[in-house]
Amino acid sequence: EIVMTQSPATLSVSPGERATLSCRASQSVSSNLAWYQQKPGQAPRLLIYGASTRATGIPARFSGSGSGTEFTLTISSLQSEDFAVYYCQQYSNWPPWTFGQGTKVEIK
Amino acid sequence: QVHLVQSGAEVKKPGASVKVSCKASGYTFTSYYMHWVRQAPGQGLEWMGILNTRGGSTTYAQQFKGRVTMTRDTSTSTVYMELSSLRSEDTAVYYCARDSLVGSGWSFLDYWGQGTLVTVSS
Repeated sequence: EIVMTQSPATLSVSPGERATLSCRASQSVSSNLAWYQQKPGQAPRLLIYGASTRATGIPARFSGSGSGTEFTLTISSLQSEDFAVYYCQQYSNWPPWTFGQGTKVEIK
Repeated sequence: QVHLVQSGAEVKKPGASVKVSCKASGYTFTSYYMHWVRQAPGQGLEWMGILNTRGGSTTYAQQFKGRVTMTRDTSTSTVYMELSSLRSEDTAVYYCARDSLVGSGWSFLDYWGQGTLVTVSS
């Protein structure tokens, strides 16, 4: 089973600032990596797939990069609606599909 | 537009079973596999299994084998997840989520249901 590790657990950022979230896989997942955003009381929402492709309707301030075992989600200028928990997920080696434990982006 | 609408919250006693439904609309139901993912209170996402909506075959996560059953009704475009021998640790929000890859599954999850809270308590 591939283990996904996200860091940091919590990221405190001021509105308008840049946020950088990391995700590491225990073995290579190539570019088979997705990012999801989850707000309190809501279902997760797909942000990024293929490590760097934005899903439909996702603003350009969200970008993904990386391949193999190291991945990054960057939010270039945080808006109030971006404060949420972000999860990475690999879909390279299954079953099982595995998720990271999440990074909470909170207001500084 | 794609919609996945799940059944309402449930409260069950330890040892009982629960069956959660997920009704799909806005796309060809049998063209996409469906996953189930759960989230315990304050915790992360845990993958439970995947259902081939065309043929009905399933693959379950090891920790749920023997307790979970995923089925579908193609006439109503509805998938079901039944979990048996419930224990307190099964208290969670259960989500259905569509696999993004047409015809063969095994990809990322592009649409999610709103979630169903299952509470297991004596």
